Formats: sequence, C-alpha cells, structure tokens
Amino acid sequence: NAGVTQTPKFQVLKTGQSMTLQCAQDMNHEYMSWYRQDPGMGLRLIHYSVGAGITDQGEVPNGYNVSRSTTEDFPLRLLSAAPSQTSVYFCASSYSFFVPGGRTGELFFGEGSRLTVL
Amino acid sequence: KQEVTQIPAALSVPEGENLVLNCSFTDSAIYNLQWFRQDPGKGLTSLLLIQSSQREQTSGRLNASLDKSSGRSTLYIAASQPGDSATYLCAVRPSNQGGKLIFGQGTELSVKP
Repeated sequence: NAGVTQTPKFQVLKTGQSMTLQCAQDMNHEYMSWYRQDPGMGLRLIHYSVGAGITDQGEVPNGYNVSRSTTEDFPLRLLSAAPSQTSVYFCASSYSFFVPGGRTGELFFGEGSRLTVL
Repeated sequence: KQEVTQIPAALSVPEGENLVLNCSFTDSAIYNLQWFRQDPGKGLTSLLLIQSSQREQTSGRLNASLDKSSGRSTLYIAASQPGDSATYLCAVRPSNQGGKLIFGQGTELSVKP
C-alpha cells in the first residue's frame, strides 16, 4: 500500500497562475481532506469530503476548489494563486466514522506539497 | 468553538528521561483524539488514536490518556531517545462538526544525547 500520495512535492508559481495539487489514497477511505500548515498558525482545514460526489468547506476555503469524482482522488485547485497561498499543503484520509459499526477514523497524512507563490 | 491547546510549546530533555506532553480541549463532545509526530520537512505520522469511550492507548514506549470530562489528554514517552526529537501534535475530532479535525499548535521536543 502506498497510503496517501501527493504530487507535486514542490511547486513555484507566479501570482495569478492556476494549478492543481493531486492527492490519491489506496486505502478505500471515504473521508479525505486538505490542510495547510503555516508557521504560527498550525494546521488549518481547507476542504473535506465524506465520499465521492460530496465536498464541504473547512476553515479557510477561499481561493481553493475541490471535487471528488472517485473514492481514491481528491485534487485541490488554486484558481488564481496569491502570495498568501504560499504554504505547505497536506492531504489526509480516513475511514468515515459515520459508517454504523464502522472503523476507527484514524487520519493518515501524505508527505506534503510545498508551494511558493511569487 | 472547539479549541485545542498544547503546553509547553517546546521542551528539551536529556536522553533517558521520561516525559509528558499535554493537550487540552475546550469542548468534551469529541469523537476521538489523535496524537501525531512531525519531523522537520515531513508529513504527520499517526502515533495513537483514542476513541471517546477509551481512557488510554499504548504503543511501545508511548502511552496516551484521555479524560473527556476535564478536556485533557497526555502523551507519556518512556525512556526518551534522541530519535524521539520531533514536533508532537494532538488533534480532536468534534462529534458535531462532520469530518473536521481541530489541531493544537504542537510541542517541539528535543532529546539531547
């Protein structure tokens, strides 16, 4: 099992450019999420999904779009990059705790994608 | 609004010492609490997960406890080693906020040889 895979690991963008951070998991997890980590701010939830076709906003959703067309993939799109979006982005997944009699809900993280917006 | 606090922000200990990291949360309505380890420039590695109905979990030299009524969790590390040096984060999953996980700011641990 590869676990949670993020690509690219590093990216430099110019202000106004768009890009997509990819996230894939091979654990058949229903729940997937994106966080950003900034010094002094900790980890903040951007968007999350409890299953294919279902997404919802987290704490800091502005400037980001997500979609969930398959169980395995949860891409994060930056529509028009801004310097304030310079950060380290983490994708995480778990079994959904909404499943009756289900599994634990332990969250697994990818290695991160380091984005710099100039 | 659920808030998670970790004290201290940084801790330096000599090798071999037993130590305790603290995590407190303001709302006891949680589904579970998870402890993570993060090495510099790396992702988060799950250490221990405690469900709301559990009091503690153990893995090797690590033991995590949960007291929901007082809004506290502790991570006990026995016989610390230099390889334990990392940032340790706790996170709670509130039971009434869907899939959101609320993180503390972390405790940066340094174990000196």
